[in-house]
Parts: sequence; structure tokens; C-alpha cells
Amino acid sequence: NAGVTQTPKFQVLKTGQSMTLQCAQDMNHNSMYWYRQDPGMGLRLIYYSASEGTTDKGEVPNGYNVSRLNKREFSLRLESAAPSQTSVYFCASSEGNGRDQYFGPGTRLLVL
Amino acid sequence: GQQLNQSPQSMFIQEGEDVSMNCTSSSIFNTWLWYKQEPGEGPVLLIALYKAGELTSNGRLTAQFGITRKDSFLNISASIPSDVGIYFCAGQLNNDMRFGAGTRLTVKP
Repeated sequence: NAGVTQTPKFQVLKTGQSMTLQCAQDMNHNSMYWYRQDPGMGLRLIYYSASEGTTDKGEVPNGYNVSRLNKREFSLRLESAAPSQTSVYFCASSEGNGRDQYFGPGTRLLVL
Repeated sequence: GQQLNQSPQSMFIQEGEDVSMNCTSSSIFNTWLWYKQEPGEGPVLLIALYKAGELTSNGRLTAQFGITRKDSFLNISASIPSDVGIYFCAGQLNNDMRFGAGTRLTVKP
């Protein structure tokens, strides 16, 4: 079991470029989440998908879109990257609503 | 939105000492979780608490879900060098999970 995997591990973008962060889980979990982590702060929820076919906004959704491609995969897209989106992005999954969340290793994004 | 206040921000302790950290919130949660994060890694779940008043242990770690549902603490007994890392509390209500800012633990051998 790989658990939760994320690609890429690192990415550098120029302002205005777009990119998609990929996340996959092999634990047959129903719910998946995207967070960002900034220095000195806890993780903040961007978007989540309670089950396949549904997505909802979290605490900081502006500037992002998500796609729950299937039960295993949940992608995060930045349409026009901004320096304020420089952060470490974590994907997580859980069995379902309110259950324990398990995290991937993170994607470190730098927007110049 | 709900804010979690985690304290202390950092701790420098000697190997063998006990550690205590806590989180408080202005809102209630259904679940409290404690995670540990090491450099370059994602958070790893240490303990999950599901009921107010619940006290749960995982080896040298003990955590409690406050009776008001607005707070939780984590204790680490007899610390060892590999306990070094950042510890995060998280309060969960349905699919909304909020994190504390973390407690950075340094253990001196």
C-alpha cells in the first residue's frame, strides 16, 4: 500500500502559468482533501470531495479548482498562478465524513 | 471560521523529560486529532479522539478530548530524540478540519 501519493514533489512556476497537482490514494477511501501549509501556520483546507462525484469549497478556495476524477484520484488546478500561492500543498484522504485523514508527502510550489 | 490556539509554539527539552501541549477553540468539534510532521514529510496521524472526555494512549503518547469539546491536550512521556518534529492538533466537524499552528519540539540528548 502506497497510501496517498502526490506528484510532482517540487514545482516552480512563473506568475500567470497554470498547472495541475495530482493526488491518488489506494486505500479505497471515499473522501479526499487538498490543503496548503504556509510557514508558521497550520494546514488550511482548500477544497474537499466527500465522495466520488462531489466537491466542496474549504476555507481558502479562491484561485483553485479541483476535479475528483474517480474514487482514487483528486486533482488541484491553479489556472493562473500568483506568488501568494507559493506554499506546500498536501492531499489527504479518509474513509468518509468525519473519519481520520491520512496525508500525502506534499508538493512544494514556488511561484515567481 | 473556527480558530485553534495551540500552545506552546516551541519547546526545548532534555531527553527523558515529559512534554505537554494543548489546543483550544472557540467552537466545538466532533473529533480531535494529533499529528506529527517531520521535515519534508506530510503529517502523520498519532492519536484520534471521538468522544468528549475520551482519554487515549498510543505508546508514550496520551491525548484527551476536552469535556467541553473545545479543547484537547497531548502528553509525551520520557521523550527521546526521535520525538523531534512539529506536532499539530486538528479539530474536525464533519468534513471541515481546522489545524493549530503547531508545536515545534526539540529534544536534546
